[in-house]
Parts: sequence; structure tokens; C-alpha cells
Amino acid sequence: DVKVTQSSRYLVKRTGEKVFLECVQDMDHENMFWYRQDPGLGLRLIYFSYDVKMKEKGDIPEGYSVSREKKERFSLILESASTNQTSMYLCASSPPRVSRELFFGEGSRLTVL
Amino acid sequence: AQRVTQPEKLLSVFKGAPVELKCNYSYSGSPELFWYVQYSRQRLQLLLRHISRESIKGFTADLNKGETSFHLKKPFAQEEDSAMYYCALRMYSGGGADGLTFGKGTHLIIQP
Repeated sequence: DVKVTQSSRYLVKRTGEKVFLECVQDMDHENMFWYRQDPGLGLRLIYFSYDVKMKEKGDIPEGYSVSREKKERFSLILESASTNQTSMYLCASSPPRVSRELFFGEGSRLTVL
Repeated sequence: AQRVTQPEKLLSVFKGAPVELKCNYSYSGSPELFWYVQYSRQRLQLLLRHISRESIKGFTADLNKGETSFHLKKPFAQEEDSAMYYCALRMYSGGGADGLTFGKGTHLIIQP
């Protein structure tokens, strides 16, 4: 079974703090994604990566950055957390073939005070 | 621009009744559509994809290009179908990876 692991299930941070959300997948997938999930807004794509050191902006990249130094790991960084970044963050990975399925992690619930 | 619309935030039906979760899309290219489901306290997972033309857990979805719809249907709802359902559209970035654009989701509640 594909496993996508998000290291932190729950985090509480203060406004202005730097936040790292880590995601690791064990199936050698090329593609990795970060979404945020908010009630009434669904899932919105923040950033994705199709290879090591490669990254592309999604629909809502402002206030976020990412890092992909190794194939299995994709990190989401909030340089200076703000209260409007309080959300559930979902990491996903997928293999590079047609009609690829996204495999999701359990999510990281971030609260910014 | 691509867009996925799920008009119902909440849908409540009785056990044994038919279920239809609506999804409409807007996309200038050839669409590739999916339904994902999230049961309570579980991770989001793929339910079905249109190109497979499969039935999963009794659910089916047919792509209607004329109506730009991909509605999810099940003839007889079961209590274990209660979950959050997301319709998703594959978008091609040209950069080698594909993200999915998700709708806002429909919370399906099956009443006993």
C-alpha cells in the first residue's frame, strides 16, 4: 500500500512564526502536492512538484514556499504564519502515468494564534 | 480557466433511497474527472474515475460532455455511504505534473 505520511497531525503556532510541514511518501512517486482544505471551500492547490528540486505554483501559493530536496520528501513552509493560514493541510503524491491517482496523507491541522 | 462546481454543500437522504451528487465542470480541453471520498476520520481517497467506467461500492458516474457534468449516482443508499464527496478535474500544467482541481465538496448524510 502507498503510504503518505505527514509528520505533524496538529500544530499550534503564533502569528509571525516560521512553520514547516513535512510530508514523506514511500512509493517512489515523482509527483507530490500540497493542498489546503477548508470547510465550504474544498481543497485548493498550493504548490506541486514533479521532480526533485522542481516546483510549480498552484492556485494559492501566496504566503507559502516549498522544498523538494529528496524524491520522497516534500516540505511546505510558511515563512511568517498568519491567522488566515489556519487550516487543514493535505499532502498527496502520484506516479507519472495517465489517470494517475492521488494518494493523500492524513493531514496536518495548523492553528495560528 | 478550469472550474468544478458542486452545487450542494449538504445532501441528506434516507437509507435505501437513490443518491445523486451533482458535479459540473468548466474546461476548454479534454476533461479527465474523478470522484474522491473522505469518510469520517479517514484520509481522502479515490472513489472512481471516468475513464475506467467502473462501479465502486455501487456508485457510478458518467461523463456528459454536452452538459459538462459528471454526476455521482447510487440506486440504493447505505448508511456507510455517509461521507464528504469531492469531484475533481485533472488539469495539465505542461510542466510534467498534473494537479487536480477540486470542487467544494458535498457532505452526504444517509439517515436510517
